[in-house]
Amino acid sequence: QKEVEQNSGPLSVPEGAIASLNCTYSDRGSQSFFWYRQYSGKSPELIMFIYSNGDKEDGRFTAQLNKASQYVSLLIRDSQPSDSATYLCAVESGTYKYIFGTGTRLKVLA
Amino acid sequence: GAVVSQHPSWVICKSGTSVKIECRSLDFQATTMFWYRQFPKQSLMLMATSNEGSKATYEQGVEKDKFLINHASLTLSTLTVTSAHPEDSSFYICSARQENGEQFFGPGTRLTVL
Repeated sequence: QKEVEQNSGPLSVPEGAIASLNCTYSDRGSQSFFWYRQYSGKSPELIMFIYSNGDKEDGRFTAQLNKASQYVSLLIRDSQPSDSATYLCAVESGTYKYIFGTGTRLKVLA
Repeated sequence: GAVVSQHPSWVICKSGTSVKIECRSLDFQATTMFWYRQFPKQSLMLMATSNEGSKATYEQGVEKDKFLINHASLTLSTLTVTSAHPEDSSFYICSARQENGEQFFGPGTRLTVL
């Protein structure tokens, strides 16, 4: 059974701090990794994707991938209350299929 | 990003009736669409992969006769929940895959079966 693991949280950080969200996966053959943000009652929206080992930065967001450790993370710099949401890690497994983690609930405290 | 729509956004129906949910990719063609179900405080669970012009591929444990999927064109996939029961009440979300591999999600359909 291919799995994607996330800490369910909630992860609470003060406004302006860095939020660090982590995800591990079991399928060593996975090549594509995605972070989605989901507000309560809404569908997920794509924040970032990463395919190669290392860091990928986009604005306040940085995705980090370590395939050897089967670990992908998302850093949110200068966290804002509007970043409060559930963050879903998704791993592409097999032909186009995504396996989602259970999500980490982030709370940014004003 | 690309836009994917779903209709209806919510539906309430009586037990035993069938409900059809549409998923459309508005500004790109999607040979592959996906249907997910999400129960409260749980993650998205892939139900099936919908391929244009061919039969859908269902995940283990998903009844294909209960959840009928039709992908008749490159921009439209439909999910029909047949003989719906209260345990089918959930948030149904579709996604459409672009050629570069990115998936974009529709806004979801909240189904409540009384």
